[in-house]
Amino acid sequence: QKEVEQNSGPLSVPEGAIASLNCTYSDRGSQSFFWYRQYSGKSPELIMSIYSNGDKEDGRFTAQLNKASQYVSLLIRDSQPSDSATYLCAVSKGGGNKLTFGTGTQLKVEL
Amino acid sequence: DVKVTQSSRYLVKRTGEKVFLECVQDMDHENMFWYRQDPGLGLRLIYFSYDVKMKEKGDIPEGYSVSREKKERFSLILESASTNQTSMYLCASSLSQTGGEQYFGPGTRLTVT
Repeated sequence: QKEVEQNSGPLSVPEGAIASLNCTYSDRGSQSFFWYRQYSGKSPELIMSIYSNGDKEDGRFTAQLNKASQYVSLLIRDSQPSDSATYLCAVSKGGGNKLTFGTGTQLKVEL
Repeated sequence: DVKVTQSSRYLVKRTGEKVFLECVQDMDHENMFWYRQDPGLGLRLIYFSYDVKMKEKGDIPEGYSVSREKKERFSLILESASTNQTSMYLCASSLSQTGGEQYFGPGTRLTVT
C-alpha cells in the first residue's frame, strides 16, 4: 500500500464546473496535509495547507480533511483552463518533518 | 516571498562525471530538501537537512551525497553520474515552526549521457 494515494487521472471537467481531487494516506500519525499545484515543466507550488478536520477555504479552493477516514480532498470551484495542472497531495507528521507525496492527479479544464 | 534558487535549469553531463547541484534559500529556513521527480514515480526524497552540517538520508540516497556548510545553501553531489540519474532535481526549504510547508526551487533538469 502506498503511503499517499491519488488517482492519476486525467480528470476532465468543463470550464466553470467544480473539480474534486482526492487523496488517501496510510499513516494515522500524520498531522499536516498539503496540496501543491504543478504546471508542466514547472516546480510544485503550495496552494493549500490543512491541519484539522473539516473544511478550509481560500478563494476558489477548499481543502477538506477527515482524519478518521484518512482522507483529504481539494475542491476547485468555477474551474478555469488555467487550473489545468497536476495536483500533488502531501502529508507530514508535522513540524519541519519531511513530506510524503502522492504521485499526483492531472486535471484538465476544458473550454 | 520565499525564494529558493537552483544553480542551473538545464545540465548535461557525461557518465562518470562528478556533478554539483546548488540550492540557495533566502528566508532563513532551517530545513532543506533534495528530491528527484520522474514520470510515474512522483517526487522522491533523496536527502534532507534540519540544520547546518546535519543531513539525513531520504528514500533514495544511493549514488548521492549532500553538503550544508551554511544555513542558506544545500548542495547535492552525484559522485559518479550514471544514466539512471537523468531526472528533474528539485530543492525545497521549510521552517521548523510551521506544519511542514515546503517551498520549491525551479528545478534542474539533469541529463547524463
